Amino acid sequence: SAVISQKPSRDICQRGTSLTIQCQVDSQVTMMFWYRQQPGQSLTLIATANQGSEATYESGFVIDKFPISRPNLTFSTLTVSNMSPEDSSIYLCSVVRQGQDTQYFGPGTRLTVL
Amino acid sequence: AQRVTQPEKLLSVFKGAPVELKCNYSYSGSPELFWYVQYSRQRLQLLLRHISRESIKGFTADLNKGETSFHLKKPFAQEEDSAMYYCALKGTSGSRLTFGEGTQLTVNP
Repeated sequence: SAVISQKPSRDICQRGTSLTIQCQVDSQVTMMFWYRQQPGQSLTLIATANQGSEATYESGFVIDKFPISRPNLTFSTLTVSNMSPEDSSIYLCSVVRQGQDTQYFGPGTRLTVL
Repeated sequence: AQRVTQPEKLLSVFKGAPVELKCNYSYSGSPELFWYVQYSRQRLQLLLRHISRESIKGFTADLNKGETSFHLKKPFAQEEDSAMYYCALKGTSGSRLTFGEGTQLTVNP
């Protein structure tokens, strides 16, 4: 399995600010995804992070609110912009390695917005 | 549209008892089904996938296309099986996963 790290592991932020979450993988991967897990709920896909091009967003998620970068095959960032308490969630990065089709998940970033 | 339903949010059994975590799906094509598990304070990890047809930690799951189900079973539950279990579906287009709402399994001594 891939070794996936996320920074920060948790943060407490003020309403109206933005937070950028980083996802780093130890080897090249073909696909990277960002999920959200709101309290007591399941995982919801936010977007697919595409290397060198704009991310592909799922219904209900927009680039202005969740800008995503993926400058290379091992790194991606998700920014949660203009945060409100409703954005309090765990944000997870997942990857698919080259030659495989199984998704592996990062440890998650626990975000609390006051 | 693809959808995964796990009807039980909570499931509690005694050690040594059989356990079955239910998963039903809705998808018009031929999906791939997965079970992911999250133990306390650990990250989400893959438990098994239907195409592998393998048993992991004593768990098995059979895809029943007629009933559109992928229930997870273990004949004798252990305390260390206590965790959150998620059923997930991958459609034929792309790698995106659709998750069920999860079942919190507690195995009591």
